[in-house]
Amino acid sequence: DTGVSQDPRHKITKRGQNVTFRCDPISEHNRLYWYRQTLGQGPEFLTYFQNEAQLEKSRLLSDRFSAERPKGSFSTLEIQRTEQGDSAMYLCASSLARGPYGYTFGSGTRLTVV
Amino acid sequence: AQRVTQPEKLLSVFKGAPVELKCNYSYSGSPELFWYVQYSRQRLQLLLRHISRESIKGFTADLNKGETSFHLKKPFAQEEDSAMYYCALLMNRDDKIIFGKGTRLHILP
Repeated sequence: DTGVSQDPRHKITKRGQNVTFRCDPISEHNRLYWYRQTLGQGPEFLTYFQNEAQLEKSRLLSDRFSAERPKGSFSTLEIQRTEQGDSAMYLCASSLARGPYGYTFGSGTRLTVV
Repeated sequence: AQRVTQPEKLLSVFKGAPVELKCNYSYSGSPELFWYVQYSRQRLQLLLRHISRESIKGFTADLNKGETSFHLKKPFAQEEDSAMYYCALLMNRDDKIIFGKGTRLHILP
């Protein structure tokens, strides 16, 4: 297990297109988180899962965003009808359980909407 | 409202000098604080947790609930400490971590 993997590393898309990102967490981690990071900002929470259940979704996430974690393993984040404002680094993280353990982050997917 | 504030966007320090990266938080519950670091072209990684009371790479951080602060300190800066540092707060009620905007630490030779 090499940690949290995200695919693709980079994605350039035209405005209005749909994109999907994938995250593979550390295998024994039951919690998975999605964050978004724009230039000059810290990571902003988007949503998280415990196993396959999506427990919280940030108000930052419009209806164009959807995330899934089927079978409690990998997760996908889809953005429909992308806008230029969606350009950002999308980070995935996982953790073992609830508690002060911190998260392990992936390398992120950089999305550029042109 | 819950918030993590890192007042300095950039901190430049000479090699061998002491380092202090400031972090203040606002949270009505019981906080758990972290420092994350991102070296150039690397992923965000956990540096230390306040609950562990540990020293990692010479860095320490003490939670001061009276001042709602969790400043990161190192007595003697090294060039390899140059990186982006993020202070983070685990909100136990909501069970998610929120981050400050980060401070870029630049160690001067």
